[in-house]
Amino acid sequence: NAGVTQTPKFRVLKTGQSMTLLCAQDMNHEYMYWYRQDPGMGLRLIHYSVGEGTTAKGEVPDGYNVSRLKKQNFLLGLESAAPSQTSVYFCASTSWGGYNEQFFGPGTRLTVL
Amino acid sequence: GQQVMQIPQYQHVQEGEDFTTYCNSSTTLSNIQWYKQRPGGHPVFLIQLVKSGEVKKQKRLTFQFGEAKKNSSLHITATQTTDVGTYFCAGPPGGNEKLTFGTGTRLTIIP
Repeated sequence: NAGVTQTPKFRVLKTGQSMTLLCAQDMNHEYMYWYRQDPGMGLRLIHYSVGEGTTAKGEVPDGYNVSRLKKQNFLLGLESAAPSQTSVYFCASTSWGGYNEQFFGPGTRLTVL
Repeated sequence: GQQVMQIPQYQHVQEGEDFTTYCNSSTTLSNIQWYKQRPGGHPVFLIQLVKSGEVKKQKRLTFQFGEAKKNSSLHITATQTTDVGTYFCAGPPGGNEKLTFGTGTRLTIIP
């Protein structure tokens, strides 16, 4: 089992460009999450999904969109990247919301120039 | 909304010394989880506490959940270089669909 995988691992964008980050899990988990991690800020929840076809806003959703068309995949989109979105992005999944451990992917380091 | 604070933000210790990080939530938690993130890595689950006053041990690590279920602590006895990393606590902010992560405590070891 690969667990949680993320692509790409690194990306450099120019302001205004768009991109999609892909998260995939092979554990048949219902819940999936996108976090961003900035120095001294811990992990902040961007968007999450409680099942295929569902999405919900987290703590810092502005400037991001998500889709969960398949249970195993959770996509994070940036329509018009801004330097403030320079961060490390982590995807995570779990079988039961806030009651079970979350499994994290290796992260995507995004720089917006 | 719920806030989860951790202190200290940074801790530098000599190898062999003890280390403690404290986690405080603004709301009562149904459970609290602890994660460790090595430098350059991703968070990895360590443990979950559910009961009021619960204490769990993993080798040199001792985890406690407060009686009011609003605070928790992680204590490491006789730190080793392998303990280096950032330790996060996390709890569900009601509804149990997601977790709110604490701000983390970054531990560095002086050999």
